[in-house]
Amino acid sequence: DAGVIQSPRHEVTEMGQEVTLRCKPISGHNSLFWYRQTMMRGLELLIYFNNNVPIDDSGMPEDRFSAKMPNASFSTLKIQPSEPRDSAVYFCASSLGQEKLFFGSGTQLSVL
Amino acid sequence: GENVEQHPSTLSVQEGDSAVIKCTYSDSASNYFPWYKQELGKGPQLIIDIRSNVGEKKDQRIAVTLNKTAKHFSLHITETQPEDSAVYFCAATFRDDKIIFGKGTRLHILP
Repeated sequence: DAGVIQSPRHEVTEMGQEVTLRCKPISGHNSLFWYRQTMMRGLELLIYFNNNVPIDDSGMPEDRFSAKMPNASFSTLKIQPSEPRDSAVYFCASSLGQEKLFFGSGTQLSVL
Repeated sequence: GENVEQHPSTLSVQEGDSAVIKCTYSDSASNYFPWYKQELGKGPQLIIDIRSNVGEKKDQRIAVTLNKTAKHFSLHITETQPEDSAVYFCAATFRDDKIIFGKGTRLHILP
């Protein structure tokens, strides 16, 4: 099993640009989570899906952030327009049920 | 609100000694408490978990204890080794099964 696959691994962009982060969960898992990690705030839950349906997006910081899960094997997190304070590591995780999360390697986002 | 507090933020122990990391949670209805280890450049990885119907669980050198009355749980690592150096996160489930993490403990194992 390849595990949770995230792309890109690193993203450097300029303020105002659109950023799209991608995630392929583990096959057979029915829950998918997006987290953001910073030194100051630790691991913050942004949004999570159950059976491709968003269950809780209360952690999404503002309307510039959006997430989709069009099918069981793919999810995107989009930031439009991006700002320097969005710089962080973004993790995707999947699970069968809502326990035992398996994390991807993360996307290091730098907004200049 | 939904909150998990974790202490200490940094911990240094001599190789071979024990390390203890403590967490508290805000919701008495929480019933699942995992611990994750994150190595440099990688995503967090589950190392042990405990459910609310159990007070203690052990897996080799790692153990977790849970006190539901006080709403706190702890990770114990015995006979620490250099490869235990990492960031450790506690977590708890809240309403709608969302999993909230503590802010992490950076553990240094000193030679």
